[in-house]
Amino acid sequence: QVQLQESGPGLVKPSQTLSLTCTVSGGSISSGRFYWNWIRQPAGEGLEWIGRIYTSGNTDYNPSLKSRVTISVDTSNNQFSLKLNSVTAADTAIYYCARDGYGSDWLPFDYWGRGTLVTVSS
Amino acid sequence: DIVVTQTPLSLSVTPGQPASMSCKSSQSLLRSDGKTSLCWYLQRSGHPPQPLIYGASNRFSGVPDRFSGSGSGTDFELKISRVEAEDVGIYYCMQSLELPRTFGQGTKVEMK
Repeated sequence: QVQLQESGPGLVKPSQTLSLTCTVSGGSISSGRFYWNWIRQPAGEGLEWIGRIYTSGNTDYNPSLKSRVTISVDTSNNQFSLKLNSVTAADTAIYYCARDGYGSDWLPFDYWGRGTLVTVSS
Repeated sequence: DIVVTQTPLSLSVTPGQPASMSCKSSQSLLRSDGKTSLCWYLQRSGHPPQPLIYGASNRFSGVPDRFSGSGSGTDFELKISRVEAEDVGIYYCMQSLELPRTFGQGTKVEMK
C-alpha cells in the first residue's frame, strides 16, 4: 500500500521560502508511470493544484505560482519536495502531496498524504 | 484555465435516500482517445480528499458501488444511490484534461 507523508516547518516568515518534503513508502518513486503532485487548501476554502513532477524529473507548474515554485525529486530517499519562495499570508494553507497512478488510464490523485499546515506569519 | 462549477453548494440528505450533485466545465473534457478527464473526490472533515471517480464514470479501487458518476462533454453528475452517515463531507469535481488542473468549489453534503 502506497503511503505519502508531508514534512516541513509549520511556520514560515513573510518573504522567506516555504520548503516541504513528501516521503513515499510502499513503492519506489522512480518506478512506473507516476506523477507526484503538490496541492494546497487554505482553511475553509477549496483546492488548488500547485504542480507536479514526473518519474523522469520533468515538471509542470500552475501558471499562477510558476514564478515562485520549484518541485524536485530525490530518488535515493524516495522523496519529492516543494519550494515556494517569497511567501505571503496568502500562502497559508494545508499542503498535500498526492500521486497520479496509472492503470488502464491515468488515475489522478489516487493516493494522498495527510497534509501539513503551513502558516506564514512574522 | 478551465473553470469547473458545482451545484448545489450544499445538500441536505436523508440516510438511505439517493442524492445527486452536478459539475459543469467551461469546455469539453473529452480527450482525443475518447476518454473523459473528470474526477470526483470526497473530503471528510479534517481529512485529505479521497478519490471516488475517474474518467467521469469509473470508480477508484475500493469505492463502494453506491457511488456512480455519469456525464460527458461539459456536464457531469455524481449520484449516491443510498446515502450513509459516512458520506458526509465536501465533494469536489476536478478536470484533468488541461494544466493547470482545476477543481470545482465543492458541494457540502450534510445529513438531515
